[in-house]
Amino acid sequence: DSGVTQTPKHLITATGQRVTLRCSPRSGDLSVYWYQQSLDQGLQFLIQYYNGEERAKGNILERFSAQQFPDLHSELNLSSLELGDSALYFCASSSQGNSYNEQFFGPGTRLTVL
Amino acid sequence: GQQLNQSPQSMFIQEGEDVSMNCTSSSIFNTWLWYKQDPGEGPVLLIALYKAGELTSNGRLTAQFGITRKDSFLNISASIPSDVGIYFCAGRDPHNFGNEKLTFGTGTRLTIIP
Repeated sequence: DSGVTQTPKHLITATGQRVTLRCSPRSGDLSVYWYQQSLDQGLQFLIQYYNGEERAKGNILERFSAQQFPDLHSELNLSSLELGDSALYFCASSSQGNSYNEQFFGPGTRLTVL
Repeated sequence: GQQLNQSPQSMFIQEGEDVSMNCTSSSIFNTWLWYKQDPGEGPVLLIALYKAGELTSNGRLTAQFGITRKDSFLNISASIPSDVGIYFCAGRDPHNFGNEKLTFGTGTRLTIIP
C-alpha cells in the first residue's frame, strides 16, 4: 500500500458527460501528480500541483482541469468526455527532501466512456 | 520532447532465469526510477537512482544509472512467479526547473512460462 488513495476505483459514463476523480496524497506529501494510461500504454503526465499551486503541465487537454485543496487532496475534472478518454487515471505524490523525485502511485481510477 | 526507449518490449522466460532490461533516453536525466505494475494496479516504485554510475540493489533486483546519464538498466536474478508484470523506467530531466515531472518508458512485459 503506497499510502495514496484514489476514488472511485471504477467509473462508467457516457460521451459528453463530466466526471471528477479524487486523490489523497500520502501523509505529509505536498506534491500531487496526475497521469493517464491508455490500454497497454505507458503513463502520460498530465499535471502537477504543489501545495495548492499548479507547478507543471503536460499533455493535458483543455477539457480537463485539476486543483489541489488546502487539505492537499486533489481532484481531476474531465468534461465533454469522448470515447478516447477511456483510460486508467493515476495520481501520485512525492515528499520534500532528497527523495522528492520518488513518486508513489495510487491504485488508479478506471474510466470507461460509452 | 524527450523519449524513453525501453527494451525489450516483452520477455518470456522460465522460472529461475535472470532477466535484463534497459532504457535509453534522447537526452540526459538526473534521476532514473524503476517501477513495476501489476494488471489494473498502480505502479510500485522498485529502485531510485540519483548519480551517474550508481548501482543499487533491492533484493533480487539491481539497477544501474548509466555513465552517459542517458540510459539505465534493471536486472532481476532468479525470477519467481510474482515477478510477472510490466516494468517501467522513468526519468527526470534536469532542465525541468521547478517541477518534478517524470517521463516514462513504454514498459517491458515480463511473462514466466511454466
